[in-house]
Amino acid sequence: ETGVTQSPTHLIKTRGQQVTLRCSSQSGHNTVSWYQQALGQGPQFIFQYYREEENGRGNFPPRFSGLQFPNYSSELNVNALELDDSALYLCASSLPGGKETQYFGPGTRLLVL
Amino acid sequence: KQEVTQIPAALSVPEGENLVLNCSFTDSAIYNLQWFRQDPGKGLTSLLLIQSSQREQTSGRLNASLDKSSGRSTLYIAASQPGDSATYLCAVSYEGQNFVFGPGTRLSVLP
Repeated sequence: ETGVTQSPTHLIKTRGQQVTLRCSSQSGHNTVSWYQQALGQGPQFIFQYYREEENGRGNFPPRFSGLQFPNYSSELNVNALELDDSALYLCASSLPGGKETQYFGPGTRLLVL
Repeated sequence: KQEVTQIPAALSVPEGENLVLNCSFTDSAIYNLQWFRQDPGKGLTSLLLIQSSQREQTSGRLNASLDKSSGRSTLYIAASQPGDSATYLCAVSYEGQNFVFGPGTRLSVLP
């Protein structure tokens, strides 16, 4: 196990609702990245947080937002849920610098009906 | 546009065979390349990390190579076992540390 935890493990929402997913990073890691993985595809980068600031963003609309807390844990918020938001959401923690291994959590499976 | 492709999409082999998984990337200005394993419905487990200045990395029965100039990496698995059955993902890191992932190769090792 990597030491990265995510909650909840599964979640069912309806279209238009809002959702918050949580991630606790591995001890000592101050960088957290979030990814969306649709069924049968590779993960897609959503955004990254470093020291509580957004530090890079992928091609996702503003209704995907995040937070990082002083203890380096993180939240992913998605507003106005759409059916296509159904996916496995993964967070990964790492040391900063771009040359370090990313350690992934088990993911949160979100189903939007 | 930075893209990563993986060939084959799926592979089925008998136990004991050696096999090679392929990864290609369009932008060679990488920081590093990482191979991951993903079991169904689970998160990703890091297998090997190759820095942009390195040519290969080895861990047990796994060996990963990197050829930046041609935009290719291979993952070699020796003496495959049924427990190796999983999806194998290649990911390339660029500026900002975000990974660009390939779609994965789904491997089945038959006993």
